[in-house]
Amino acid sequence: EPEVTQTPSHQVTQMGQEVILRCVPISNHLYFYWYRQILGQKVEFLVSFYNNEISEKSEIFDDQFSVERPDGSNFTLKIRSTKLEDSAMYFCASDEGAYGNDNEQFFGPGTRLTVL
Amino acid sequence: SQELEQSPQSLIVQEGKNLTINCTSSKTLYGLYWYKQKYGEGLIFLMMLQKGGEEKSHEKITAKLDEKKQQSSLHITASQPSHAGIYLCGADPSNYQLIWGAGTKLIIKP
Repeated sequence: EPEVTQTPSHQVTQMGQEVILRCVPISNHLYFYWYRQILGQKVEFLVSFYNNEISEKSEIFDDQFSVERPDGSNFTLKIRSTKLEDSAMYFCASDEGAYGNDNEQFFGPGTRLTVL
Repeated sequence: SQELEQSPQSLIVQEGKNLTINCTSSKTLYGLYWYKQKYGEGLIFLMMLQKGGEEKSHEKITAKLDEKKQQSSLHITASQPSHAGIYLCGADPSNYQLIWGAGTKLIIKP
């Protein structure tokens, strides 16, 4: 069964460093998403991406964040200069983008980012 | 902005017993999703409800959306250890994103 994959599973970085979180969405999907979950808190929407551009982004997704689909398979989230409060589990998701259908988003296993 | 409130926050249930988790929205729901979260496995889709009064079942899990489309319940019958995890309800205020409840942590006691 096709699945969304994410690498690495755990990333430890120093404050101020850049990190890139990688995702491989399901191959025929058209919409891609990033969410994050700070330990003990709600899952929060960060950004959605369609047709090689950002569709929507939340207030969390400031200038320190960027997303890219560098090739036909990867979808990346970059944090330019990490802060302690960026420590969280980051989930990537994708869906078919077929309007009117169930529009189930398929989630990856997450990348745990720890900023020291 | 729309908010989702889940109750209870956590639940400990004897194996074999039934249980219900609730999700209440501050606004009318146009799509309500139930996901289950287990560490290392991401978020697993359970069900999606769209119509008032709709009810869906998958194995021993049944989800309902009330007629007013502001509350959903998830019911598990004859709970098993495999049901343990965090259950999250999500809603889509637009076609592009999901907003989430805080989750209900379910522990199954053998």
